[in-house]
Amino acid sequence: AQSVTQLGSHVSVSEGALVLLRCNYSSSVPPYLFWYVQYPNQGLQLLLKYTSAATLVKGINGFEAEFKKSETSFHLTKPSAHMSDAAEYFCAESYDKVIFGPGTSLSVIP
Amino acid sequence: NAGVTQTPKFRILKIGQSMTLQCTQDMNHNYMYWYRQDPGMGLKLIYYSVGAGITDKGEVPNGYNVSRSTTEDFPLRLELAAPSQTSVYFCASARGPPPLNSPLHFGNGTRLTVT
Repeated sequence: AQSVTQLGSHVSVSEGALVLLRCNYSSSVPPYLFWYVQYPNQGLQLLLKYTSAATLVKGINGFEAEFKKSETSFHLTKPSAHMSDAAEYFCAESYDKVIFGPGTSLSVIP
Repeated sequence: NAGVTQTPKFRILKIGQSMTLQCTQDMNHNYMYWYRQDPGMGLKLIYYSVGAGITDKGEVPNGYNVSRSTTEDFPLRLELAAPSQTSVYFCASARGPPPLNSPLHFGNGTRLTVT
């Protein structure tokens, strides 16, 4: 069965520090992978998506993610955190249906 | 430029009451989905539809019903509300189906409390 895990339900970083949010997928066949962001009291917005064209995917707001088949991972990074990055982040896998991970709440400390 | 619109934004129900959560999209998307979001659990798929007149169950369909009479609208019905249905409900639509890479477009959610 499809499943997506996100290590760390809550991550805190200082403003200007590296952001690393972890995601591991379960599918034995490389799926389509997505990162979504949810700001308070809003729906989810697409940050970036992996479609097998390139292993390093660049998204909006300076975020990027690297697909590593050997590790079944799709970790999200940003070199320098900004206060406006504080939000909930969801990794999702799309194979025969879209499955979401449990989410990671990112706090940015000034 | 409305995208996916959900109404109401908030609702409080008593146990046993019924209600319909409305969802409409103006992007002519065939694929529509209902998710519920509970703290620490991510999003769970309740029902989905691949086009007008076609619906199917997701991961957690019990206690809910849906219909899809038009491309634009995908209402979610709770017949006998229970406290376990307290959650935030999101409607989403997509241009294409999984496993294609069509991203989901989400509404802003309906926060439902059942007491």
